[in-house]
Amino acid sequence: TQLLEQSPQFLSIQEGENLTVYCNSSSVFSSLQWYRQEPGEGPVLLVTVVTGGEVKKLKRLTFQFGDARKDSSLHITAAQPGDTGLYLCAGARGSGGGADGLTFGKGTHLIIQP
Amino acid sequence: DAGITQSPRHKVTETGTPVTLRCHQTENHRYMYWYRQDPGHGLRLIHYSYGVKDTDKGEVSDGYSVSRSKTEDFLLTLESATSSQTSVYFCAISEFGFPGGTDTQYFGPGTRLTVL
Repeated sequence: TQLLEQSPQFLSIQEGENLTVYCNSSSVFSSLQWYRQEPGEGPVLLVTVVTGGEVKKLKRLTFQFGDARKDSSLHITAAQPGDTGLYLCAGARGSGGGADGLTFGKGTHLIIQP
Repeated sequence: DAGITQSPRHKVTETGTPVTLRCHQTENHRYMYWYRQDPGHGLRLIHYSYGVKDTDKGEVSDGYSVSRSKTEDFLLTLESATSSQTSVYFCAISEFGFPGGTDTQYFGPGTRLTVL
C-alpha cells in the first residue's frame, strides 16, 4: 500500500499569517492532487500537479510537487477565515490505467482565526 | 458542480441488518468509486467501477458489495452491517479513470451511516 503522510494534522493560526502543509510518501506518484473539504460536504479538487518540480498558484495558494514526485506542499499566504477546512492530498498511480482511484492522506485540519 | 447525488444522506441502522447506499450521477462518467472516511484514517477506497457491470475491490472491501446495472447508478451494499462500518461514505466519479495519473474526481455530498 502506498502511503501519503500529511503534516501537520491540525493547525490553528491567526488571520494574515502564512502556513505550509506537507504531503510526503516513500512512493512515486504519477500525479498529486490537493482537495479541500468543508464540514458535511465532499472533497473538492483544488489542483493537480503532474511534473516533478512543478509549481502551481491559485490566488494565495501555492502548490509544489517534489522533484522526485514523492512529496508535495501547499503554502497559503496571508491566510483568511475562508481558508478554514480540511485539506487532503491524494496520489494517483497512473500505471495500468489507474482506474482504481486515489490514495489519500489523512488530511490537515486548518482553522484560521479572525 | 458535478451532478452527483447520494441517498440516503443519513441513516441509522442496527447491527446485522442489510443496508444499501445509492450513488446517482448525471455526468455520464464511466468511472465510479465508493470511499469511506473515518477520523484517523482519511478517505479509503472500498470498491470502484470502470463500466456497467464492471467492478473491482479497493483497499477496504471486506463486508461490502457493489453493483452497477446502469451508467448512472452505483450501489453499495452492506450485507450485514457491523458497528465498525459506522462511517461517512462518499461516492465519486471520474471521466477517464486517471490514465497517466491525471483526471478529475468529483465527490458526492456523502452519506452518514451509524450502525448501533
